[in-house]
Amino acid sequence: ELKVEQNPLFLSMQEGKNYTIYCNYSTTSDRLYWYRQDPGKSLESLFVLLSNGAVKQEGRLMASLDTKARLSTLHITAAVHDLSATYFCAVIKGAGGTSYGKLTFGQGTILTVHP
Amino acid sequence: EAQVTQNPRYLITVTGKKLTVTCSQNMNHEYMSWYRQDPGLGLRQIYYSMNVEVTDKGDVPEGYKVSRKEKRNFPLILESPSPNQTSLYFCASSRAGGNEQFFGPGTRLTVL
Repeated sequence: ELKVEQNPLFLSMQEGKNYTIYCNYSTTSDRLYWYRQDPGKSLESLFVLLSNGAVKQEGRLMASLDTKARLSTLHITAAVHDLSATYFCAVIKGAGGTSYGKLTFGQGTILTVHP
Repeated sequence: EAQVTQNPRYLITVTGKKLTVTCSQNMNHEYMSWYRQDPGLGLRQIYYSMNVEVTDKGDVPEGYKVSRKEKRNFPLILESPSPNQTSLYFCASSRAGGNEQFFGPGTRLTVL
């Protein structure tokens, strides 16, 4: 059974600081996703990481993937209040073909950025 | 506008009364999924479909049914809802090949 674990589950940051959210998963996968959810809203796709060593950046967020360690990180640089949200990682079990339909999410990390 | 729509957005019902939550996408996506979101548990996949007439169970399929008769629609059916199915439900779609999923706005279901 694929397990996806995020930590921390709660993160309170000051504006301007840097921090990292970690996403560990338990079995082989060739796709890892990061999503953002604002309170009362749906999920918004942030990144799709497709291969070992993949790194993607958008604004103050940077995501990376290490498939050998089964670990992805979401790094926040110089946090601002607008980044306050819940962040989820999600993993597809296995690689290719019919496995692409089945997605397992982490528990989510609730990020609050304070002035 | 490319989107995934769900109806209804809010529903309060009673135990045992059959209900259907509709999901439709206008992006010609092959893959569609249903998730439920509960506090502390993240999102859990209920069912997914990789194309018309092709569906499979996710992690929590008990008490739910789905069908995919048309590419754009993927309704979620609760034949006999129970209070433990009170949750926030999301439908999502994506192109084939492991691409990002696009999520609908969510349906908040309360079963009394």
